[in-house]
Amino acid sequence: QKEVEQDPGPLSVPEGAIVSLNCTYSNSAFQYFMWYRQYSRKGPELLMYTYSSGNKEDGRFTAQVDKSSKYISLFIRDSQPSDSATYLCAMSGSGGGADGLTFGKGTHLIIQP
Amino acid sequence: EAQVTQNPRYLITVTGKKLTVTCSQNMNHEYMSWYRQDPGLGLRQIYYSMNVEVTDKGDVPEGYKVSRKEKRNFPLILESPSPNQTSLYFCASAGVRFSGANVLTFGAGSRLTVL
Repeated sequence: QKEVEQDPGPLSVPEGAIVSLNCTYSNSAFQYFMWYRQYSRKGPELLMYTYSSGNKEDGRFTAQVDKSSKYISLFIRDSQPSDSATYLCAMSGSGGGADGLTFGKGTHLIIQP
Repeated sequence: EAQVTQNPRYLITVTGKKLTVTCSQNMNHEYMSWYRQDPGLGLRQIYYSMNVEVTDKGDVPEGYKVSRKEKRNFPLILESPSPNQTSLYFCASAGVRFSGANVLTFGAGSRLTVL
């Protein structure tokens, strides 16, 4: 079964706030977890990547995976207006996505100056 | 600049008129894929290709064809477009694998409207 749930938003927060974006999934076979960012009229671009459970930090961004709860999160610290975009979670099984990633529907994030 | 290039970016056509959306990548990637993005449905894979002359169906292949005669090109063909194929289409390629997973580079998208 391929199913990923993601709140579509829009989520509107003031500049400088900490943002939490989340996805839940049902397929316990998922091993690879990614976050893509998509600006308006652009293709998605990879933001963060995590294998299995745990945390990963990259600058203002932190990705968390809790496989026991089938729950992944992306945190954005000190949010900026340039972070306004749609954020897509994506995941795949042990094949690494060769037969395709399963995407969430995306959360539209708005950072108010 | 490393990129995936799609054309056309915007197209309005009529039911039944064959069309091709081209996709080209300059990163020497073996893996290429087509997705469609629809409101409320998200990104869904149409077809993918692991290498030249190797293609496989994704989740929503009905009404589409692809070919992979060269490594850099992966065109999407709609033989007889219908209104339910109105969508935003993305081509993607992957060459880097982090711990075994494909990392996709997407094109800018092609918005197709079928009347």
